[in-house]
Amino acid sequence: GAVVSQHPSWVICKSGTSVKIECRSLDFQATTMFWYRQFPKQSLMLMATSNEGSKATYEQGVEKDKFLINHASLTLSTLTVTSAHPEDSSFYICSANPSGTYNEQFFGPGTRLTVL
Amino acid sequence: GDSVTQMEGPVTLSEEAFLTINCTYTATGYPSLFWYVQYPGEGLQLLLKATKADDKGSNKGFEATYRKETTSFHLEKGSVQVSDSAVYFCALPGYSGAGSYQLTFGKGTKLSVIP
Repeated sequence: GAVVSQHPSWVICKSGTSVKIECRSLDFQATTMFWYRQFPKQSLMLMATSNEGSKATYEQGVEKDKFLINHASLTLSTLTVTSAHPEDSSFYICSANPSGTYNEQFFGPGTRLTVL
Repeated sequence: GDSVTQMEGPVTLSEEAFLTINCTYTATGYPSLFWYVQYPGEGLQLLLKATKADDKGSNKGFEATYRKETTSFHLEKGSVQVSDSAVYFCALPGYSGAGSYQLTFGKGTKLSVIP
């Protein structure tokens, strides 16, 4: 149980295009999902907290107009990188917090984005 | 605010060596504590956790004991294998408002085990 999937696993796109990444909780409902960005030296940066049915809460320094988050259902959150540039190339990881619990976060396998 | 300080790597060990990765934290109250593992090219997986002081979490031969007096949660394994090569993250949850709980991560420690 408690499986989180991400799609796509990897994506290559041209500079200036937009890319959508999906995060799904497969066997549980998640009121809250989180989006992280992992840099080459492995540190994880929390980008935003996504709450079902409401606006995402972005961490300081994260551009909300560039990284659009939608959490339209209890099992799906999407991150759209708009007008992507090479500096947006990174490993994006989502996690989901099962509804009715706290502390627990289950992570997706990550999405490798490369912007040419 | 909450913070996690984790031993910096990389750490390279021979197979069957003893492993310790240090983790200390600062937090309000007595949160749960977690160790996550990330294998190459994958997302994070929960390795073990402890929910209160003096609890010992264990999984796959790894152990960590929640020490309130030293605010530590060091990860140990008696005999590492090549398959343990991964990045290990210490983490603690904290209430971030609006009913959500964020995880504060250490910077991660990369472990490489050589045959």
